[in-house]
Order: sequence, then structure tokens, then C-alpha cells
Amino acid sequence: AQSVTQLGSHVSVSEGALVLLRCNYSSSVPPYLFWYVQYPNQGLQLLLKYTTGATLVKGINGFEAEFKKSETSFHLTKPSAHMSDAAEYFCAVSTGNTDKLIFGTGTRLQVFP
Amino acid sequence: NAGVTQTPKFQVLKTGQSMTLQCAQDMNHNSMYWYRQDPGMGLRLIYYSASEGTTDKGEVPNGYNVSRLNKREFSLRLESAAPSQTSVYFCASSVQGRNEKLFFGSGTQLSVL
Repeated sequence: AQSVTQLGSHVSVSEGALVLLRCNYSSSVPPYLFWYVQYPNQGLQLLLKYTTGATLVKGINGFEAEFKKSETSFHLTKPSAHMSDAAEYFCAVSTGNTDKLIFGTGTRLQVFP
Repeated sequence: NAGVTQTPKFQVLKTGQSMTLQCAQDMNHNSMYWYRQDPGMGLRLIYYSASEGTTDKGEVPNGYNVSRLNKREFSLRLESAAPSQTSVYFCASSVQGRNEKLFFGSGTQLSVL
């Protein structure tokens, strides 16, 4: 069965520092991987996705993620954090031959001035 | 640009009461989903509908029923609410397919006393 593990339920960084949010997946078939962001009291929005092709994918707001098959990882990074990046981030994997999307438990990012 | 519309936004129920959460999308999407979000557990799929006329169980279907009324609307029903169903519920839709992004509604906060 497909699953997603997000390491660290809370991550705190200073404004301008590197953001690194970790995601590892388990999938019996080539995975489609996603990062979503949730701002307070809102639904989720897509940041970026990996389906096929280039393993380094760029998303909105300066975020990017690299698909590493050998490490079964899809970590999210941003070179320089901004206060507006404070939110909860979810990694997700698309399962098998269905349209189900399975989410991780989320990582709350705090950005300090 | 309504996107995905959920009603109601807030609801308080007593144990044993029933209610239906409504969801409608105006993007001509084929697939629709119901998720619940609980602290520390991320988003868990309750039911999904890959196309009009079909529904399928997700990770946590017990205690819920769904109806895909037409292509636009996908409702979630709690027949006999329990305190364990206190959660934030999100409806989502997508064009169709494993690699398509989900569009989320703004959520329904449900409390069962």
C-alpha cells in the first residue's frame, strides 16, 4: 500500500534561512508526488508536483522539490524563507491505478523575524 | 470563479443526529473527494468519486455515506453522528487522473457533542 511519511511535525526557521521539509514515500508503482500548502483557515493549494521527467520540480513562491527514487524521498526546499511562508505543508502520493491521493500528516512551518 | 463550494462552514451536532455536507464544483471536473483533517493526522480520504455515477471508499469510510448527485455535486452524509466525527471536512475535485491537482473547498468545521 502507498504511504507518505513527513519527518517533523513542526519546523522553525529564521527569515532568510533555508527551508527544508522532508517527505519519504512508499509505493509499489512509479509514484506521482505532490506538495500542498495550507494557510490558516483555508483549504489546500498545490505547490508543485512530480509525475514523470525532470526530477527537480519547481513550484510557486520559490519552492522546489527533488524526486530521489533511490532514497524514496521528495523533500521540499526554499533557499530563503519569508514570513509569508508560515503555513502547514503536506506531502501526498497518488496511488496505484486509481485517483486516490494519500496525504502525509503535515509539517507546520514557523518563520521568525 | 467559485471553484469548490462547501456548505455549511460550521456545524454543531448532538450525538446521534444526522446531517449532510454539501459540495459543488463549477469547473466541469470528473473526480470529487471528501477528506477529513484532524490534528496530527493530516488529511484522510473518506470517499471519492472518479466520475459521475461511481463512488469508492477511502481510508476512513465508516460512519459516512456519499452521493454523487450529478457531475457538479458530491454530498457526504453522517447518519448518526459520533464525537469521533468531530473534524474539519474538505471537499476537493480534479479533472481526473493520478497526475492532476486537486482543488479544495474552504472546509466545514463540524463539532459533535
